[in-house]
Amino acid sequence: DVKVTQSSRYLVKRTGEKVFLECVQDMDHENMFWYRQDPGLGLRLIYFSYDVKMKEKGDIPEGYSVSREKKERFSLILESASTNQTSMYLCASRPGVESPLHFGNGTRLTVT
Amino acid sequence: KQEVTQIPAALSVPEGENLVLNCSFTDSAIYNLQWFRQDPGKGLTSLLLIQSSQREQTSGRLNASLDKSSGRSTLYIAASQPGDSATYLCAVCIIQGAQKLVFGQGTRLTINP
Repeated sequence: DVKVTQSSRYLVKRTGEKVFLECVQDMDHENMFWYRQDPGLGLRLIYFSYDVKMKEKGDIPEGYSVSREKKERFSLILESASTNQTSMYLCASRPGVESPLHFGNGTRLTVT
Repeated sequence: KQEVTQIPAALSVPEGENLVLNCSFTDSAIYNLQWFRQDPGKGLTSLLLIQSSQREQTSGRLNASLDKSSGRSTLYIAASQPGDSATYLCAVCIIQGAQKLVFGQGTRLTINP
């Protein structure tokens, strides 16, 4: 079974802090994604990565950056957390475009 | 721009009923369509993936169909159980550009014992 692990289930941070969300997959998948999910807005793509050191902006990249130094790990970085970044963050991975996308359990981030 | 719609937003049925969830999309240029379930406060669990060349996929009590030309997919759940209660989301993988998934808003399903 594919396992996508997000390092924290719940996180509380203060406005202005730099926040790191970590995601690790154990199946040597090429593609990795970061989404945020908000009531009424659904899932929105923040960033994705086709391969190590490769990244592409999604629909809402402002205020975020990512890092993929190793194939199994994809990190989302909030450079200076703001209250409007309070959300559920979901990481996902897949081998390639014709394969199913597998999600982690999510990190619920609260910025106060 | 691809848009994915799921109607109804919520559905409540008694246990044991067969039911159908609907998903429609505006652009037929897709690689595939995937159905997920999401339990409250959790991530998404992949249920079925249908490639654009396929018409349907089955897994246990679940059957998903795809009509790419009309921009529609259905998820059929047979003999529903209380454990099927969850939010069901569909997502299409678009061909243009990033090959990303575009999600519907989901249908919140409640199975009453």
